[in-house]
Amino acid sequence: NAGVTQTPKFQVLKTGQSMTLQCAQDMNHEYMSWYRQDPGMGLRLIHYSVGAGITDQGEVPNGYNVSRSTTEDFPLRLLSAAPSQTSVYFCASSYSGPLVGDTQYFGPGTRLTVL
Amino acid sequence: AQSVTQLDSQVPVFEEAPVELRCNYSSSVSVYLFWYVQYPNQGLQLLLKYLSGSTLVESINGFEAEFNKSQTSFHLRKPSVHISDTAEYFCAVSDPGAGSYQLTFGKGTKLSVIP
Repeated sequence: NAGVTQTPKFQVLKTGQSMTLQCAQDMNHEYMSWYRQDPGMGLRLIHYSVGAGITDQGEVPNGYNVSRSTTEDFPLRLLSAAPSQTSVYFCASSYSGPLVGDTQYFGPGTRLTVL
Repeated sequence: AQSVTQLDSQVPVFEEAPVELRCNYSSSVSVYLFWYVQYPNQGLQLLLKYLSGSTLVESINGFEAEFNKSQTSFHLRKPSVHISDTAEYFCAVSDPGAGSYQLTFGKGTKLSVIP
């Protein structure tokens, strides 16, 4: 199993540009989520999904869109990048999610810089 | 909403000395508690978790944490640290009683083991 994969590993954008961060898992997990990690802030939940076709907002959803058309993929879209979105982004997945205490499996992260 | 407080942002400790990383969470009837570890330039991985039962939980590499409901704490301890334990440690909580699918992280504690 490849586990949770994320692409790209690094990305530099200009303010106003759009892009999609890719996340895929091959463990047949129903629950997937996106976090951003900023120095001294820990991890903050952006969006999550409990299954294909079902998504919901987390703590910091503004400026980000998600969709879940398949069990395997959970892309994160930045519609108009802002410098405040400079961060490291992590995707995570698990069978049923935090509601039942499942272990979250994290991807290696995408380091995004917005100029 | 749940919140997690990690009181120490950085903890330096000499090799083979004991260490305690503190974690407190906001009160709730029932919670699931986790410690995740992040080695440099990697994603997070589960160290240990408490779901129910014995209040003392252990990891395979010598860490342990004790769930204390009255103090709403879940401190992480190791009796003798190794250089390879140098990493950032995150405490996290989920609140199944609230029906929440969100996992809330603390801001992290950077453990530096000094040779």
